[in-house]
Amino acid sequence: DGGITQSPKYLFRKEGQNVTLSCEQNLNHDAMYWYRQDPGQGLRLIYYSQIVNDFQKGDIAEGYSVSREKKESFPLTVTSAQKNPTAFYLCASKERAVMNTEAFFGQGTRLTVV
Amino acid sequence: QKEVEQDPGPLSVPEGAIVSLNCTYSNSAFQYFMWYRQYSRKGPELLMYTYSSGNKEDGRFTAQVDKSSKYISLFIRDSQPSDSATYLCAMSGDTGRRALTFGSGTRLQVQP
Repeated sequence: DGGITQSPKYLFRKEGQNVTLSCEQNLNHDAMYWYRQDPGQGLRLIYYSQIVNDFQKGDIAEGYSVSREKKESFPLTVTSAQKNPTAFYLCASKERAVMNTEAFFGQGTRLTVV
Repeated sequence: QKEVEQDPGPLSVPEGAIVSLNCTYSNSAFQYFMWYRQYSRKGPELLMYTYSSGNKEDGRFTAQVDKSSKYISLFIRDSQPSDSATYLCAMSGDTGRRALTFGSGTRLQVQP
């Protein structure tokens, strides 16, 4: 089955640690996105990638980093510079960045700072 | 002011009711409009996708877009307890990144 897989489902981070969230897709989509979801605030765009080896900052990129070395993979690192990282993180993909088509989402990773 | 405004609810209705969910937006460049359904602790799933103004129907769901008023709606007929979820509107326009801009979501509860 084609889809987007995010792992882990739950992640706990200690203060000052970097953590990496995994996102893998087998849909052969060019574009991939990371969103953050907080209660009552909807989804906010962190980073996006339109093609392999290219990525752009979204609206709330501070404290996050990404890479896009392979078409199917778009990992997100939450660094110690992110002051309020506790949230639900969603990865999405779209067939082509320049097409106004729907985005498909993974099942999310819930990150909690302990 | 947010680009997309959506009443957070919760909206509680009895089973069988007609539900109306709405979003308003301020960016006139938006041309593509989507509704996603999100169950608790899950990723959003696409329900409806429409382009420009007009209506689109799919089973019990009808999406309406009024670009002149910058207002979109999702109607659910014969609502079921399984429709209980958060509904997110999303939209995009002819910008370089084509990423979606989301509303904050409306939580719907359908009481059996």
